Amino acid sequence: QSALTQPPSASGSPGQSVTISCTGTSSDVGGYDFVSWYQQHPGKAPKLMISEVSKRPSGVPDRFSGSKSGNTASLTVSGLQAEDEADYYCSSYADNNNVVFGGGTKLTVL
Amino acid sequence: QVQLVQSGADVKKPGASVKASCKTSGYTFTSYYMHWVRQAPGQGLEWMGIINPSDGSTRYVQKFQGRLTMTRDTSTSIVYMELSSLRSEDTAVYYCARSLTTTPLDYWGQGTLVTVSS
Repeated sequence: QSALTQPPSASGSPGQSVTISCTGTSSDVGGYDFVSWYQQHPGKAPKLMISEVSKRPSGVPDRFSGSKSGNTASLTVSGLQAEDEADYYCSSYADNNNVVFGGGTKLTVL
Repeated sequence: QVQLVQSGADVKKPGASVKASCKTSGYTFTSYYMHWVRQAPGQGLEWMGIINPSDGSTRYVQKFQGRLTMTRDTSTSIVYMELSSLRSEDTAVYYCARSLTTTPLDYWGQGTLVTVSS
């Protein structure tokens, strides 16, 4: 299966909001409400930030939110903070019990 | 607390095999799937496949078919990933990560760096 499409970069100033998109197909993002978002700081393992399109695991700040429309999912980070600077990856369940990741988006806090 | 502790870095020659381990604790081993995800230097995450520790059943991404083997040891709560016929493009950090259903992957190991070099 092909990787999901994410913009390579995004940026915002502290306190602002930024939205990262993740586009797939009807075989993955559009067909299932199993989109997840992961945050990865340099040299660290990914951390789950959003599951099932919009659910926040315990401990994840409510500044992080997710949504989906058709074949495109989105991650919004509100009230940007310096520690939000990281790489963000979307992921989706895909047909035939597969998992697919996006190419990643580098979020820069200006 | 849930922990996934992976084996240390490894260096292999082209054509060789590598076997990485992922030792789990803090939860019921057979109740969660385990995935392997790799990340080449400076690149994104790539899902490789999944194993059900309960029955040992596996599913691999097509590109790894024939080279990839995932196994588990229920007596020690360890999952293994073996990749054979290594080439330089297999140089990457390999992560194990668990999930209750197929997704999401809620806990990740610290990663194992595998370097393939002659």
